This record gives sequence, structure tokens and C-alpha cells, in this order.
Amino acid sequence: EPEVTQTPSHQVTQMGQEVILHCVPISNHLYFYWYRQILGQKVEFLVSFYNNEISEKSEIFDDQFSVERPDGSNFTLKIRSTKLEDSAMYFCASKSGVTAGELFFGEGSRLTVL
Amino acid sequence: ELKVEQNPLFLSMQEGKNYTIYCNYSTTSDRLYWYRQDPGKSLESLFVLLSNGAVKQEGRLMASLDTKARLSTLHITAAVHDLSATYFCAGETSGSRLTFGEGTQLTVNP
Repeated sequence: EPEVTQTPSHQVTQMGQEVILHCVPISNHLYFYWYRQILGQKVEFLVSFYNNEISEKSEIFDDQFSVERPDGSNFTLKIRSTKLEDSAMYFCASKSGVTAGELFFGEGSRLTVL
Repeated sequence: ELKVEQNPLFLSMQEGKNYTIYCNYSTTSDRLYWYRQDPGKSLESLFVLLSNGAVKQEGRLMASLDTKARLSTLHITAAVHDLSATYFCAGETSGSRLTFGEGTQLTVNP
């Protein structure tokens, strides 16, 4: 069964460092998303991406965040200068079409900022 | 802006009992999703509800959607320990952005 894969599964970094989280969406999917979940809290939308540009972003997705699809398979989330409050589980998700199909989530990347 | 509220947030129940989790949402939502999350794990899709009156069942779980009342329910029948997890509902708006509820942490006791 096709799946969304994320790396790393866990990353520990120092405050102020740059972090890049990697995702490989399902191969025929066209819509890509990042969500985050702070420990013990609900899942929050960060950004959606289609046709090599951001479709929508939340208020959480400020200038410290960026996304990129550097090649035909990877979809990355970059945090330029991490803060303590960026510590969370980050989930990548993908979907075949905006109105059709199910949203598939990856296993998540846990980011710990010290 | 879509807001999604679940209740209860915590639910402790005995094996064999029935219970319902409620999910209210504030504005029109294209779809309503139910997810299961085990501790430290990803989100497992349980149900996608598309239209008013939709009812879906899988094993001991049944989900329904009332778009007029802006309410979805997840009914648990004859709970077993394996159902212990956190359950999230999420509404989808245009562009397929999901807004999640706070989650219901379910504990099924033997």
C-alpha cells in the first residue's frame, strides 16, 4: 500500500539552528500539506502546497517557515531559526486531488528544540 | 473560520459498554473526518463522511454526519481494550485544509 514517508523520525536541535524535515508524498498525489502537533494538543494546519506554490498557510506559518519541492518526489519543511515552542510532531500529508480522495498522513517527525 | 469542538475530551469506559463521542463544527464543512491516534504515532484514518445523513461502520465503530445540526458522532459499541486511543474529528474546508478538534482520549478498562 502506498504511503507517505517522513525523515527523520526524531530530531534534536539547539535553539536558533535551522532544521529541514523531509517528506516523500505518495507518488501520484498532487496536493501536499504540513501539520504539527504540540505534545498533548490537537493537530494544527501549517501549509498546503500545489503546483509548486503555497496554496494556503496558517498564522503559525510565519517567515521562519518555508516549504519546497526540490525534485519530483521530495517535499520539505524548513524552519530557519528554531525556537523552543517549535518543539512538536510534524506531519506531512498528501492527497490526489483537492476535492477527491483521502488525505494520507506520514508517521511524523518529532522535533525537539533545546 | 471553521471551529471544531469535541466532547468529551476524556472518556474512561468499561469493556462491553457503549458510548458516543460528539463533534460539533461551526460553519459549513466539505467533509468530516475521524482519525485514531495511538500515543506517539501518526493519524490513522477511520472514516470520511461526505454528505448529510452519511453513516459508516467499521467493526465496533460507527460514524454519522448531520450537516444541518453541524454534528458528527462516533459511536462505540461493546468497547474492547484495543480501542483505547485518542480520537480526533476534523472538518475540511475549501482547499482541503483540515481543522481538528481537541481530541477525545478514550481509555477502555477491563
